[in-house]
Amino acid sequence: QKEVEQNSGPLSVPEGAIASLNCTYSDRGSQSFFWYRQYSGKSPELIMFIYSNGDKEDGRFTAQLNKASQYVSLLIRDSQPSDSATYLCAVQHGSSNTGKLIFGQGTTLQVKP
Amino acid sequence: NAGVMQNPRHLVRRRGQEARLRCSPMKGHSHVYWYRQLPEEGLKFMVYLQKENIIDESGMPKERFSAEFPKEGPSILRIQQVVRGDSAAYFCASSPEFIYNEQFFGPGTRLTVL
Repeated sequence: QKEVEQNSGPLSVPEGAIASLNCTYSDRGSQSFFWYRQYSGKSPELIMFIYSNGDKEDGRFTAQLNKASQYVSLLIRDSQPSDSATYLCAVQHGSSNTGKLIFGQGTTLQVKP
Repeated sequence: NAGVMQNPRHLVRRRGQEARLRCSPMKGHSHVYWYRQLPEEGLKFMVYLQKENIIDESGMPKERFSAEFPKEGPSILRIQQVVRGDSAAYFCASSPEFIYNEQFFGPGTRLTVL
């Protein structure tokens, strides 16, 4: 079982729709959760981070965390073609004295005009 | 207000040569992380450093790879006697602290081994 799992996609949504990206993790000691966006050939760009159960909203983005289910999601409202990218879920373990991030394989999002 | 800086952006080496990748963290950040992204694969943690200290190198291959973050100057990832399988994008990230840290990535160095 992979430590962080994402559906590789591609996830295709029409412009203006809500895109829902999901991520599960295996280590119950994980404390911090991050969503990065990566355009092809570029470096990861931090979009959202969440530490507590529940929802966290930032503009068109909402991160949702359910530690009991070991599940993190990212919702993108009013999706735009410029949102087309690979979205990486990353998890930081809380039990070790290192801040290393464990990444999922990423979900490719395609927003069609 | 410069972000994380990496150089070179592209590096071509022949098998057996050495590759040196440099990373300067964001201003005010004292924690540096190196990640590797192989073609069609996800990002994999390699090493975590603070000034003059390697904190976690659990992701580093046992041979040929080393990293440092000296008191003065950038962090350096060194790959000796490169092989074709080392061809990848190497990303550096920095954070102000490691607890609840938000890591910001540099543009990466794309290493090609001929």
